[in-house]
Amino acid sequence: DAGVIQSPRHEVTEMGQEVTLRCKPISGHNSLFWYRQTMMRGLELLIYFNNNVPIDDSGMPEDRFSAKMPNASFSTLKIQPSEPRDSAVYFCASSSWTVQETQYFGPGTRLLVL
Amino acid sequence: SQELEQSPQSLIVQEGKNLTINCTSSKTLYGLYWYKQKYGEGLIFLMMLQKGGEEKSHEKITAKLDEKKQQSSLHITASQPSHAGIYLCGADLQGAQKLVFGQGTRLTINP
Repeated sequence: DAGVIQSPRHEVTEMGQEVTLRCKPISGHNSLFWYRQTMMRGLELLIYFNNNVPIDDSGMPEDRFSAKMPNASFSTLKIQPSEPRDSAVYFCASSSWTVQETQYFGPGTRLLVL
Repeated sequence: SQELEQSPQSLIVQEGKNLTINCTSSKTLYGLYWYKQKYGEGLIFLMMLQKGGEEKSHEKITAKLDEKKQQSSLHITASQPSHAGIYLCGADLQGAQKLVFGQGTRLTINP
């Protein structure tokens, strides 16, 4: 079975541009999580969804960040406008309530905002 | 997260030696997860512990949960180069699905 799929794997953009990160969770999983990892702050939860509904977005840094999950197999994290301090690795993870809720992570998107 | 402290932050051991990594929470643990990360890659799930006193093993890696101390330890026996990487503990501190993570322990294995 394929794991969590993220795209792109690397993104380099200029300050002010819009960035869209994509995630396909493991088939059958009904929870999806977006994390951000930096050297300074470590791994932080940004937002998570249950059955495509956002449950907790308290980790979203500011209004420039938005996330959607239009269906069970796709989610996006958008940054508009992007800033250099948004440079980080963004991970998507998914889990199933039927499997002890263990979260399985994708390979991440490495974002560099110049 | 300051709610979850890992120690040590980095560890260099000789191949074949045993080692232990600790993860201590400032709050009640509802679930404790251990992951391994290699540079440029995602997190690989190792083990999950939920009950006090619980102990799980996978190959040469053993994890224990001390509920009273709000602490978990990860022990590697007879370390190998393949064990090198960053080990992260994640914890459910609210009884929900939100995980907070420690800062990680960078493990280097010298041949």
